[in-house]
Amino acid sequence: AQSVTQLDSQVPVFEEAPVELRCNYSSSVSVYLFWYVQYPNQGLQLLLKYLSGSTLVKGINGFEAEFNKSQTSFHLRKPSVHISDTAEYFCAVSGGLGYSTLTFGKGTMLLVSP
Amino acid sequence: DSGVTQTPKHLITATGQRVTLRCSPRSGDLSVYWYQQSLDQGLQFLIQYYNGEERAKGNILERFSAQQFPDLHSELNLSSLELGDSALYFCASSVDPSSAGELFFGEGSRLTVL
Repeated sequence: AQSVTQLDSQVPVFEEAPVELRCNYSSSVSVYLFWYVQYPNQGLQLLLKYLSGSTLVKGINGFEAEFNKSQTSFHLRKPSVHISDTAEYFCAVSGGLGYSTLTFGKGTMLLVSP
Repeated sequence: DSGVTQTPKHLITATGQRVTLRCSPRSGDLSVYWYQQSLDQGLQFLIQYYNGEERAKGNILERFSAQQFPDLHSELNLSSLELGDSALYFCASSVDPSSAGELFFGEGSRLTVL
């Protein structure tokens, strides 16, 4: 079984400041890892994914994440946030190729203020 | 716009009633997923279909059922509704089950049970 823990339910930050949203996972098999973003009143949109290879993954809108196998983490970072980044961010895990069913964390609400 | 269409967007009904939520996947996508999003449980995977066949089952209650039709649209049927079934129900689609978690989500159907 797989699980995802997002330690922070809310992260307030000022515009142009850096941000890190934390994600830890547990799984008995090799995993694929994802970050999805949900803007108000919208569905989820894929931000980035780690399947294999380089542990630093770059996504859309200037976000990146680093896969750390020893710490079972996949933290999301952005060096300078904008007001428009205010949204809910979900970390998710799947069991690998052929298993596209995703297990999601409970989400982290990123609140960017001027 | 993800290309996934869900109807209705909002639905208010009473306990004990039955409702049907509809999803049209992106053009060309064969796999459809249903997720339930609530404040206390977060995003929970319900069920997956691939080309008309059930592929995976998650935390779907026996009062709920789903199917995928030959034209690939899917319906989620919720019966004997309870207050706790109030939630946002998302449909997502992918090209095939091996799409490594890149799901495209609709905007959801918000169900309120009174």
